[in-house]
Amino acid sequence: DAMVIQNPRYQVTQFGKPVTLSCSQTLNHNVMYWYQQKSSQAPKLLFHYYDKDFNNEADTPDNFQSRRPNTSFCFLDIRSPGLGDAAMYLCATSRGGSPYEQYFGPGTRLTVT
Amino acid sequence: GESVGLHLPTLSVQEGDNSIINCAYSNSASDYFIWYKQESGKGPQFIIDIRSNMDKRQGQRVTVLLNKTVKHLSLQIAATQPGDSAVYFCAESLTNAGKSTFGDGTTLTVKP
Repeated sequence: DAMVIQNPRYQVTQFGKPVTLSCSQTLNHNVMYWYQQKSSQAPKLLFHYYDKDFNNEADTPDNFQSRRPNTSFCFLDIRSPGLGDAAMYLCATSRGGSPYEQYFGPGTRLTVT
Repeated sequence: GESVGLHLPTLSVQEGDNSIINCAYSNSASDYFIWYKQESGKGPQFIIDIRSNMDKRQGQRVTVLLNKTVKHLSLQIAATQPGDSAVYFCAESLTNAGKSTFGDGTTLTVKP
């Protein structure tokens, strides 16, 4: 009964080669988030969508883009991955409105060679 | 002055003991707080939350305490079990901000 699904779980890409990570949800939540988490660190918010409204964090590099074609799906595009972009990428959802708990997917572990 | 628990990056406890994990948050205007548990290779999982109009909330084997005066949050786990071994994060947020900020995690290890 997975509620937030991330594919693939493990992704290997080459330096500079564009890569897309995907997230889908069965919760019908309004808000979807993308986080980057490096080893032993707290998840760092990259951006989030409230319905179709895109909200970028000020320190998110331009190299990172996102698309949300419908309520259920959200994509993270890394245009030119660098070695420093190797990390776990977490997708999360919440109902929106008043702050609510976030539901996280299992993450995609990105390796850059 | 008031004594406040320090945030520790790691905590090791004996099975059956009580655990206390501390967190300092940064924004005095934050009004909603959550504790998450993250097991190895998985995404964070909701444990318990508390709003700023409360100073204590209890769940099953867990209690969250909020001290707004010193911007401090703690998670107490009763009768800690091996399955509690994980990294624990606190997160703070503002109503209508639509997002949370995660604090530094604490790695809890439970020794049998």
